Amino acid sequence: EDQVTQSPEALRLQEGESSSLNCSYTVSGLRGLFWYRQDPGKGPEFLFTLYSAGEEKEKERLKATLTKKESFLHITAPKPEDSATYLCAAAKTGGSQGNLIFGKGTKLSVKP
Amino acid sequence: NAGVTQTPKFQVLKTGQSMTLQCAQDMNHNSMYWYRQDPGMGLRLIYYSASEGTTDKGEVPNGYNVSRLNKREFSLRLESAAPSQTSVYFCASSEKLGNTIYFGEGSWLTVV
Repeated sequence: EDQVTQSPEALRLQEGESSSLNCSYTVSGLRGLFWYRQDPGKGPEFLFTLYSAGEEKEKERLKATLTKKESFLHITAPKPEDSATYLCAAAKTGGSQGNLIFGKGTKLSVKP
Repeated sequence: NAGVTQTPKFQVLKTGQSMTLQCAQDMNHNSMYWYRQDPGMGLRLIYYSASEGTTDKGEVPNGYNVSRLNKREFSLRLESAAPSQTSVYFCASSEKLGNTIYFGEGSWLTVV
């Protein structure tokens, strides 16, 4: 069964304390791996798309990496404004299924 | 540059009432989606439209209908609302199936 699992469910960091969020996936034929940020009361905001193992993408304090079984979202020297829920999702190759398979998210809290 | 716009943002319905959630995108995207998000369940696909004139069921279509009115607009209808349909609904769009999905701000629906 296709599945996306994110860990930890919640993460509390002090400002400046770097860490990583994990996204493990079991998908038969990965077309792309997506990362989103979701603030309370808002829709998910697109961050990155990764297409192949070894690929990395960066944006400000965030860096996303991809292996054949998992993706990591590394947060370097986080600030309180990085507090949000981070979602990952996998898209499959082939077929007519339009679904992204979403994980349940990691809720990140960054304290000053 | 509005992106994906949903209306209404908040709605309270009585069991058995009907309503339609409206969605429009201004990015000239071919594919559109309706998701629901529930605590502990993550984002689940209700229906999607790969292109104008087509619609397909997603993971949780029961109790819903959709209409792709034109390339810009994709509506979700609840014919006879049930308390189990209390949720946050997100409309989304992408250039084509499997590409990056961009979300609206959400519609909060409560069925009493």
